[in-house]
Amino acid sequence: GAVVSQHPSWVICKSGTSVKIECRSLDFQATTMFWYRQFPKQSLMLMATSNEGSKATYEQGVEKDKFLINHASLTLSTLTVTSAHPEDSSFYICSATKTSGPYEQYFGPGTRLTVT
Amino acid sequence: KQEVTQIPAALSVPEGENLVLNCSFTDSAIYNLQWFRQDPGKGLTSLLLIQSSQREQTSGRLNASLDKSSGRSTLYIAASQPGDSATYLCAVPNTGNQFYFGTGTSLTVIP
Repeated sequence: GAVVSQHPSWVICKSGTSVKIECRSLDFQATTMFWYRQFPKQSLMLMATSNEGSKATYEQGVEKDKFLINHASLTLSTLTVTSAHPEDSSFYICSATKTSGPYEQYFGPGTRLTVT
Repeated sequence: KQEVTQIPAALSVPEGENLVLNCSFTDSAIYNLQWFRQDPGKGLTSLLLIQSSQREQTSGRLNASLDKSSGRSTLYIAASQPGDSATYLCAVPNTGNQFYFGTGTSLTVIP
């Protein structure tokens, strides 16, 4: 199998605080992980691509200083939302690809972030 | 930039009916195409992956076809059941292994 987990599954935080979301590949090595956000009734929008041991590549319009991504190992990537604001409230989903092809992505269950 | 569109945006059918969901993409230079389902408030479940060299894939009551030259894929669901109610997303990777997701089709199967 190819299982990806996320922690926490949901989090509520106050405006101005920071929140860290973890994405783990449980039974495979993932050189590349992706972070998406999804607003209600909308599709997934890619935020950034994370490669193990190197800096993440952010999509246009995504603030890299606000959404800090760290991919420290082949099984773990973290997304930290810094100085969160209510407009950051969203569903955040990560995915991972195995080190070998065929570029099939395996998705985590998502993290619901609510900023009050 | 790849653009992925899904039609219809929403679909409601009575139980037992066969149905087709459509996905179109603008750049035919794809590695593969993947269909997912997403239940409300949940993550994505992979349904089918079609490699660029394949024309279709089947899994149970699901059949997905791919026509790269015309930039289209269809997901056929046979004998629909209420448990099939969900949002269905298609996605294609670019050369950088980034996925572009379609707009999604929200399916409701009425018992």
